Amino acid sequence: QSALTQPASVSGSPGQSITMSCTGTSSDVGGYNFVSWYQQHPGKAPKLMIYDVSNRPSGVSNRFSGSKSGNTASLTISGLQAEDEADYYCTSYTSSGTWVFGGGTQLTVL
Amino acid sequence: EVQLVESGGGLVQPGGSLRLSCAASGFTFSTHWMHWVRQAPGKGLVWVSRINGDGSSTSYADSVKGRFTISRDNAKNTLYLQMNSLRAEDTAVYYCAREFGYCSGGSCYHYYYFDSWGQGTLVTVSS
Repeated sequence: QSALTQPASVSGSPGQSITMSCTGTSSDVGGYNFVSWYQQHPGKAPKLMIYDVSNRPSGVSNRFSGSKSGNTASLTISGLQAEDEADYYCTSYTSSGTWVFGGGTQLTVL
Repeated sequence: EVQLVESGGGLVQPGGSLRLSCAASGFTFSTHWMHWVRQAPGKGLVWVSRINGDGSSTSYADSVKGRFTISRDNAKNTLYLQMNSLRAEDTAVYYCAREFGYCSGGSCYHYYYFDSWGQGTLVTVSS
């Protein structure tokens, strides 16, 4: 049950787009379309941003989008805003019947 | 409105036990798989355990298998995590999370993502 691999940090200026990656194996990310992404502000509970690789829950801005290629999933945020600054975590269902999170990516809006 | 409220956290000595609770409201509790996820101070989220709707099936992360037990009381709309043989590395905020799902025509479906989270309860394992 090794954690999915996420970059420790990414940054961008307001209005720009950024993409962060989430790399797993064929036993998790590559094997299922059950990748989801969560946003967490300091001291707060995580919030669902993307589910099933690329679907947005109602109420989440369409500036957030997800995709997957092979064993790597990606989260793209377009038109960066100050309130997007947070930690982002990916997670995937696994062939062991468990779930695994990535280590998290800290997004800084410059 | 969906609400998940954890309780039961606190300071416990290594080797000790603690039982966490998560009180659910605003939805039909018994139709949802439920999970525990933890976050050590300054660290990332780590999945801990899940239980299906009627409590008949569970799964655990290797790091807690044999020490932690997840359970639920659907009559009380409450999820539990019994934690035994606690170690310093179990120190974390523990969140309960609801897995999205629904029931229709006598069958229930679950969808592998967490659509609601509680605010968390802090467990500190230290002598």
